Amino acid sequence: DTEVTQTPKHLVMGMTNKKSLKCEQHMGHRAMYWYKQKAKKPPELMFVYSYEKLSINESVPSRFSPECPNSSLLNLHLHALQPEDSALYLCASSQPIERDTEAFFGQGTRLTVV
Amino acid sequence: GQNIDQPTEMTATEGAIVQINCTYQTSGFNGLFWYQQHAGEAPTFLSYNVLDGLEEKGRFSSFLSRSKGYSYLLLKELQMKDSASYLCADYTGRRALTFGSGTRLQVQP
Repeated sequence: DTEVTQTPKHLVMGMTNKKSLKCEQHMGHRAMYWYKQKAKKPPELMFVYSYEKLSINESVPSRFSPECPNSSLLNLHLHALQPEDSALYLCASSQPIERDTEAFFGQGTRLTVV
Repeated sequence: GQNIDQPTEMTATEGAIVQINCTYQTSGFNGLFWYQQHAGEAPTFLSYNVLDGLEEKGRFSSFLSRSKGYSYLLLKELQMKDSASYLCADYTGRRALTFGSGTRLQVQP
């Protein structure tokens, strides 16, 4: 199983809503990532979890709150988002980040904030 | 990762060969990745180079020169389905994969 599964695939939310994005992998990877991607731009790193602990936060606004409940799951909690937060949110996983190995990406959640 | 440079766009003809170049900052370099991303889809891994030279995988090959901070992705026998963005990426200076700006390749009949 080399899949990273993200749900939902599409999400429309209002600026006062609270929603969560979910990501799951069963490859035994101990590094998991959230990336944000705007149209015609490369993925931009948001957060990195290593062994279920937050290791990198790329100065992301607090309206984005990551959570790693266990080694297979990664969530991104959303609250009071702005229209400019509309983007494709990609989850990825890889072997422990002490080793430079390929990252596997999920299909992403297409988020629209209205 | 933050100093990775690639051309923004390229156009090539079906059946031809195209080379997509990537330059990166050599300080702390450990290895270079190439990913393919079709519009609206996830990036998919193409290749990883850590030693100098050419790595061949079917129609795709990737080259690395560590002393020059230079890599390229070579696509042979281009097909229409190869129209996509090609992303150069590394772990340099970060403990996470960070991407260059990407090259949008358009394959024409």
